[in-house]
Amino acid sequence: EDQVTQSPEALRLQEGESSSLNCSYTVSGLRGLFWYRQDPGKGPEFLFTLYSAGEEKEKERLKATLTKKESFLHITAPKPEDSATYLCAVQAWGRGSTLGRLYFGRGTQLTVWP
Amino acid sequence: DSGVTQTPKHLITATGQRVTLRCSPRSGDLSVYWYQQSLDQGLQFLIQYYNGEERAKGNILERFSAQQFPDLHSELNLSSLELGDSALYFCASSVAQGSGYGYTFGSGTRLTVV
Repeated sequence: EDQVTQSPEALRLQEGESSSLNCSYTVSGLRGLFWYRQDPGKGPEFLFTLYSAGEEKEKERLKATLTKKESFLHITAPKPEDSATYLCAVQAWGRGSTLGRLYFGRGTQLTVWP
Repeated sequence: DSGVTQTPKHLITATGQRVTLRCSPRSGDLSVYWYQQSLDQGLQFLIQYYNGEERAKGNILERFSAQQFPDLHSELNLSSLELGDSALYFCASSVAQGSGYGYTFGSGTRLTVV
């Protein structure tokens, strides 16, 4: 069964203290790995899609990387406004009921304090 | 504004009742996905429609049903509501089925069953 596990569940950082969030996945064939940011009571906001091992993408203070079994979201010199829940999701190759759907992890709740 | 519109934003109803949640996808997107997010389950895929046809089903209860209309908006019908159905319900859209691109989520409908 396709699964996504994120760690840690919660992370508290001081402003400027860089760190990484982990997303481990088990999927029959990875079509894409997605990172989303979610603020309380809001819908997930798309950040990145990664397709193959070795791929990296950056956006402001965020950098996402992908290996064959996991993805990392690196946060460099975070600011309080980066506080949110970060969700990882995978899309698998397949037919019928599996094609198109995303399998989400439970997320990492990031708090950045001044 | 993500371009995916969900109404209503909040809904409070009693057990045993029936409600309808509405979603208008981003202009040009043909696929609509419904997800349920509860505190103990995270984001769970419910159902997908593509250009008016059901394409995939996830862990959707028999009390729940959905449809996509010719103008591509979608409705999720929840009946015989139970306390455990209280959750955030999100709609997402993408340009094609299983496109591999970032799915765009709406801001959600918060359903409270009392």
